[in-house]
Amino acid sequence: GQQVMQIPQYQHVQEGEDFTTYCNSSTTLSNIQWYKQRPGGHPVFLIQLVKSGEVKKQKRLTFQFGEAKKNSSLHITATQTTDVGTYFCAGPSPSGTYKYIFGTGTRLKVLA
Amino acid sequence: DGGITQSPKYLFRKEGQNVTLSCEQNLNHDAMYWYRQDPGQGLRLIYYSQIVNDFQKGDIAEGYSVSREKKESFPLTVTSAQKNPTAFYLCASSPGTGRGPGELFFGEGSRLTVL
Repeated sequence: GQQVMQIPQYQHVQEGEDFTTYCNSSTTLSNIQWYKQRPGGHPVFLIQLVKSGEVKKQKRLTFQFGEAKKNSSLHITATQTTDVGTYFCAGPSPSGTYKYIFGTGTRLKVLA
Repeated sequence: DGGITQSPKYLFRKEGQNVTLSCEQNLNHDAMYWYRQDPGQGLRLIYYSQIVNDFQKGDIAEGYSVSREKKESFPLTVTSAQKNPTAFYLCASSPGTGRGPGELFFGEGSRLTVL
């Protein structure tokens, strides 16, 4: 079945450093979404990418969708303590557009 | 306030008992989902429903059952057949677009512990 892997699994950074998480799907995705889950909380939607090679920015966050639409990345510039949490990518399964599969997640810790 | 309400927030059950987790949304969304999250793990899809009176199995449906008799409600029953039910259960809904489900809105989750 479809697999969506993220690396790294964990990342500790010093406040002010940059952070990147990578998402790789075993199948081509029609779109990809990113979510953030704060410790003890629930996932919250960040963004959706649809087009091959698409790049979108939200303040310090930059999202990229690969040319082959099988990978994506999230880059945070100058991390802050408020960035702490787990970042997930998610995409539709080949067996169903509404069957949304989440990646394994990257847990980010920011040291002040 | 529009949103998704899950109840109960915490639930304890003895082995061999069925339990039902409630999920209600007033966002008028067509699609609803149930995910399971284990400590330090990602979200795994249990069941999803694209429209009322219809639902599909996700990757880990064994030992679970759902119903979708009303648009706003998607209860999940964890049966005694589920071998390792202790987990954090997340319900979500999405509006549906021409290209797919759109943004998923999550409830605050239900934490189930089997004693």
